[in-house]
Amino acid sequence: AQKITQTQPGMFVQEKEAVTLDCTYDTSDPSYGLFWYKQPSSGEMIFLIYQGSYDQQNATEGRYSLNFQKARKSANLVISASQLGDSAMYFCAMRERNQGGKLIFGQGTELSVKP
Amino acid sequence: DAGVIQSPRHEVTEMGQEVTLRCKPISGHNSLFWYRQTMMRGLELLIYFNNNVPIDDSGMPEDRFSAKMPNASFSTLKIQPSEPRDSAVYFCASTPSGNRGTDTQYFGPGTRLTVL
Repeated sequence: AQKITQTQPGMFVQEKEAVTLDCTYDTSDPSYGLFWYKQPSSGEMIFLIYQGSYDQQNATEGRYSLNFQKARKSANLVISASQLGDSAMYFCAMRERNQGGKLIFGQGTELSVKP
Repeated sequence: DAGVIQSPRHEVTEMGQEVTLRCKPISGHNSLFWYRQTMMRGLELLIYFNNNVPIDDSGMPEDRFSAKMPNASFSTLKIQPSEPRDSAVYFCASTPSGNRGTDTQYFGPGTRLTVL
């Protein structure tokens, strides 16, 4: 079974609008972390935001927030006030405590911001 | 502060040749990871080290791949002999400690390998 599922291969959003990128995960480990990374066309992997399984509040980092719904096993990334520079691939990833340090990645969502 | 450093950034080689990819983790980080990214398989972990010791190499495709970490500031990923299907972007990442779920992995810029 897929551990991390990103169901949106591609998304479009108008500049200055908000957009939600979906991510669902599957784990039986009670202790895990969820991460979002951005990969622009230049290829580097840029860390955006982290959510721990025991965190009570949703994580936020500037224009990025993570809509964490533990019971539904979803960890959607919300980008507010989209900018042209937000156009990139976005990857959701999970790390389970019983799996040590390894990150498992979803297939990614390609976001295009339209002017 | 310097991030994770990888070299070379691009490598083009012919089938059968040996390829060595290099990585310098962020100073003070105790864990190092090698990932491979392809269109077909996405991002997948190949191997990771804690305190220079290989912990999980279950992602290494086959015996042609080997990785070493002789000290805390240097790691290599070697492919011998290389094959066209090894063409991919290889990322190195490091984190302060591999065991804590909160530790973020910081990625290097990647090495784009093309095997002709």
